[in-house]
Amino acid sequence: GAVVSQHPSRVICKSGTSVKIECRSLDFQATTMFWYRQFPKQSLMLMATSNEGSKATYEQGVEKDKFLINHASLTLSTLTVTSAHPEDSSFYICSARRTGVNPEAFFGQGTRLTVV
Amino acid sequence: AQRVTQPEKLLSVFKGAPVELKCNYSYSGSPELFWYVQYSRQRLQLLLRHISRESIKGFTADLNKGETSFHLKKPFAQEEDSAMYYCALNSSNTGKLIFGQGTTLQVKP
Repeated sequence: GAVVSQHPSRVICKSGTSVKIECRSLDFQATTMFWYRQFPKQSLMLMATSNEGSKATYEQGVEKDKFLINHASLTLSTLTVTSAHPEDSSFYICSARRTGVNPEAFFGQGTRLTVV
Repeated sequence: AQRVTQPEKLLSVFKGAPVELKCNYSYSGSPELFWYVQYSRQRLQLLLRHISRESIKGFTADLNKGETSFHLKKPFAQEEDSAMYYCALNSSNTGKLIFGQGTTLQVKP
């Protein structure tokens, strides 16, 4: 099956710094990738849709200046959490949609962000 | 509004017992529904989708438009089925998935 790789899997940063999370589709091209956030014992909440070569589309309530998304190529999307605060600590998960006859979303392993 | 509801946070059964994980949805158009599974320390992965009408690992799910449900069923649970299960709706066929709250299935020996 298709593989989506997320890096890093775990990161700890200081308040006020920025953190970049990468999401790569390893064996297929993805014009669209999605970023989710998951709080402990809760469901995945869609943050934004990352579109290759154009601006990301953010869900209501998600600050676009806080969560910068760049989708520079068909296999890479990045999420940068800017000026991170402890409340940004969470599990961030990306998915990439493989298009075709049976389009399917494949998920990265997730990134655990802890802001101290 | 588009919404997916999984009413049970935890479902605990004994090995060999039947399992039904409930999922209800709210969607104005023709829904595309999925079940995803997350085993311990592993990433989320697709279990099955309603358009395929397939059985994966003994699980089946039937879309009932009248009841707006897509319950996941297995006649005889196995210990290795213990995992977190998420029901999801493809929003407007865009690939954006709206997830339910998830149900933890615990299969006891």
